[in-house]
Amino acid sequence: DAGITQSPRHKVTETGTPVTLRCHQTENHRYMYWYRQDPGHGLRLIHYSYGVKDTDKGEVSDGYSVSRSKTEDFLLTLESATSSQTSVYFCAISPGEGNTIYFGEGSWLTVV
Amino acid sequence: QKEVEQNSGPLSVPEGAIASLNCTYSDRGSQSFFWYRQYSGKSPELIMFIYSNGDKEDGRFTAQLNKASQYVSLLIRDSQPSDSATYLCAVILSGSARQLTFGSGTQLTVLP
Repeated sequence: DAGITQSPRHKVTETGTPVTLRCHQTENHRYMYWYRQDPGHGLRLIHYSYGVKDTDKGEVSDGYSVSRSKTEDFLLTLESATSSQTSVYFCAISPGEGNTIYFGEGSWLTVV
Repeated sequence: QKEVEQNSGPLSVPEGAIASLNCTYSDRGSQSFFWYRQYSGKSPELIMFIYSNGDKEDGRFTAQLNKASQYVSLLIRDSQPSDSATYLCAVILSGSARQLTFGSGTQLTVLP
């Protein structure tokens, strides 16, 4: 158990609505990540954070924004959800050992 | 060319056999390599990581790294039906500290 909680775990939303996914960790790790996973594409990095208010873009950041106002919380926001953002979203943390990362349980998002 | 490539499979092996999973990467400067296991509907779990050329063993799992040929492999000895899952290879590309780039995964089925 990496001490990561994602919420909501499942959500269905309509096209054009804003959606925020929350990742909460209990271990005060500095590095946090948001990945999405789609068939045929594997896991792709959306955004990551290396500290409070320190974030950077990943491979597939268009249409997403993030915020980290506290060490323990990393929020992913879809400003105006589209059907192409239907996916499974995984939060991850890096405790530092060997640059390994550990994943949360995932959030299943469907945009209709 | 994808930065990290894996055969999607499915790969089937009989129970008790050795399963061999392969991964190639395009960035010669990559330094860190990881194997994750993902059961259907679950999040990826870290199996092991390897940094140096050669073999690294952990229980029934052996990771093999050949930087000259730019491939990393995972051997699973005495395969069990519980090993049936998708195996994900991940690489930290040069200049991408603490950001893992994943392959699309290989689906493994161990037949009883």
